[in-house]
Amino acid sequence: GDSVTQMEGPVTLSEEAFLTINCTYTATGYPSLFWYVQYPGEGLQLLLKATKADDKGSNKGFEATYRKETTSFHLEKGSVQVSDSAVYFCALSGGSGGYNKLIFGAGTRLAVHP
Amino acid sequence: GAVVSQHPSWVICKSGTSVKIECRSLDFQATTMFWYRQFPKQSLMLMATSNEGSKATYEQGVEKDKFLINHASLTLSTLTVTSAHPEDSSFYICSARVEDRKYTGELFFGEGSRLTVL
Repeated sequence: GDSVTQMEGPVTLSEEAFLTINCTYTATGYPSLFWYVQYPGEGLQLLLKATKADDKGSNKGFEATYRKETTSFHLEKGSVQVSDSAVYFCALSGGSGGYNKLIFGAGTRLAVHP
Repeated sequence: GAVVSQHPSWVICKSGTSVKIECRSLDFQATTMFWYRQFPKQSLMLMATSNEGSKATYEQGVEKDKFLINHASLTLSTLTVTSAHPEDSSFYICSARVEDRKYTGELFFGEGSRLTVL
């Protein structure tokens, strides 16, 4: 079945450091890929998405490129801030489960300190 | 973007009682809503798919008699945890799919409801 694998956390960085959170997927068909962010005590918010190969999603300085050849959707940010501290989830839909189901990775906790 | 709201955001109840959590789509109609459960430091587990006007579809291993789902209108789905026990303590999150081409595959999430059963 479809699955998403993302790097284990926590990831601890200093402010202004470069961030990469790896995400790879297994799916049939042509899934859409997403990054969601969950701030402490809150629900998930869509951070960015890409719906086809080579698309780049971007938002709030974060970027991720849909790489079909490596089945990856790594999240990057050039300079993190303390306010970016949260849990980040990679997800896909549109695989064997159809667009109704979002399949999530386990989440990666990011802690940014001043 | 579309807005999904949950209520209550947190609730504490005694073991054996039932708790109802509401999920509303505020600015759109949702024929399909989803209920997830999140254990501490873990990912979201899909519990069930709620369909307006019909029975919910439960994922394997989820007790339908324990977690009652009702989707009575296009803007409201409810999850009732019946005869709650401490092991039901968790963070419950609902989401809704917008029937709009520009949101293909995208789900909007509520703020979540933290249930603590004493």
